[in-house]
Amino acid sequence: RKEVEQDPGPFNVPEGATVAFNCTYSNSASQSFFWYRQDCRKEPKLLMSVYSSGNEDGRFTAQLNRASQYISLLIRDSKLSDSATYLCVVPDVLDSNYQLIWGAGTKLIIKP
Amino acid sequence: DTGVSQDPRHKITKRGQNVTFRCDPISEHNRLYWYRQTLGQGPEFLTYFQNEAQLEKSRLLSDRFSAERPKGSFSTLEIQRTEQGDSAMYLCASSFSERDNEQFFGPGTRLTVL
Repeated sequence: RKEVEQDPGPFNVPEGATVAFNCTYSNSASQSFFWYRQDCRKEPKLLMSVYSSGNEDGRFTAQLNRASQYISLLIRDSKLSDSATYLCVVPDVLDSNYQLIWGAGTKLIIKP
Repeated sequence: DTGVSQDPRHKITKRGQNVTFRCDPISEHNRLYWYRQTLGQGPEFLTYFQNEAQLEKSRLLSDRFSAERPKGSFSTLEIQRTEQGDSAMYLCASSFSERDNEQFFGPGTRLTVL
């Protein structure tokens, strides 16, 4: 049983379109959630943190649905530079607050 | 450059050899993490330090893996008697304790075991 699940994609999206993808988690006690972005053969970088119902930063919106235990990431007016893998991260609050459980990532390809 | 650095960036070794990787975190960060990542997967937690104390270690981590952070600054990860299955990207990350979950990653060390 995977604790954090993501659709691996790839999502092939034309430039300028809106794209959204979800991440489901199994630990109902989790209070905070994160989206990281990882470019090919590069390290992950924090994109957004979600501590309550959601967060918005420019073209990016993250929303949390606690009842259904998923978080979503919405990208509006997508750019070619948005092409990357988006990793969903949930802290493991059962054993410690310091271990993050990472999804396998959703690959996004923005096409001109 | 004040980011997280890792050395070496690439390592090719023969099965059965020992390897050691180094991570230098952001200087103000007191927490340091090691992860392993294979193609198509997210980072897999290996171990974590707060200052020089190793506070968490993955239950899945083989006894061939050991990590140290002797002075609470840089850290080393050693793999003994390497196996082909150890081939992966080894990532180091660091964070402030007050913002524990915002982790900053180094570029990683790519290990290939022949």
